[in-house]
Amino acid sequence: DGGITQSPKYLFRKEGQNVTLSCEQNLNHDAMYWYRQDPGQGLRLIYYSQIVNDFQKGDIAEGYSVSREKKESFPLTVTSAQKNPTAFYLCASSMGQNYNEQFFGPGTRLTVL
Amino acid sequence: AQSVTQLDSHVSVSEGTPVLLRCNYSSSYSPSLFWYVQHPNKGLQLLLKYTSAATLVKGINGFEAEFKKSETSFHLTKPSAHMSDAAEYFCVVSDLAGGSYIPTFGRGTSLIVHP
Repeated sequence: DGGITQSPKYLFRKEGQNVTLSCEQNLNHDAMYWYRQDPGQGLRLIYYSQIVNDFQKGDIAEGYSVSREKKESFPLTVTSAQKNPTAFYLCASSMGQNYNEQFFGPGTRLTVL
Repeated sequence: AQSVTQLDSHVSVSEGTPVLLRCNYSSSYSPSLFWYVQHPNKGLQLLLKYTSAATLVKGINGFEAEFKKSETSFHLTKPSAHMSDAAEYFCVVSDLAGGSYIPTFGRGTSLIVHP
């Protein structure tokens, strides 16, 4: 059963703490993406990776970090430098650099207390 | 640079009536265009895509969209709304600007369906 999984579904953190969101795919996709979604703003790209061990900043990368050590995994760390981290985070993947449709995970809702 | 504008933030229809969600795009290249649907607190699901083949694209759940290059539009339609269509809809454009296909999302249109 192929797809993208994100964990946890809900996450709470205290101010000043780093937190890592998990994203795993078994679709054998080369490209993976992280988006942030806020009400009325659509999806904004945080980071993306088109191959293993390589990734690029998106439109709102400040305060976030990623790694791509394995093809199937693309974890996102929300650092204490991110001033307004409360949001819905979506991970996606696509087949390759010639853009095909993206497949999305179910999302993680992060709340800073 | 590519961009996409969804002309309505909210669209309200009665069940059984037609749906029209409007999307205009800007692209310097031959773009790929997509519509995705998102139900509350869920991920996005692809409804349909245009990639330079037929200009009238049919998708899942009875939705379709027409690519009109002269109008730079890619509006989403459905002949008869169902209650289960109530969701957020995103129009997406992607072209090769910058050397790689990175999609740009519209801000979304919330479809409200009244019984």
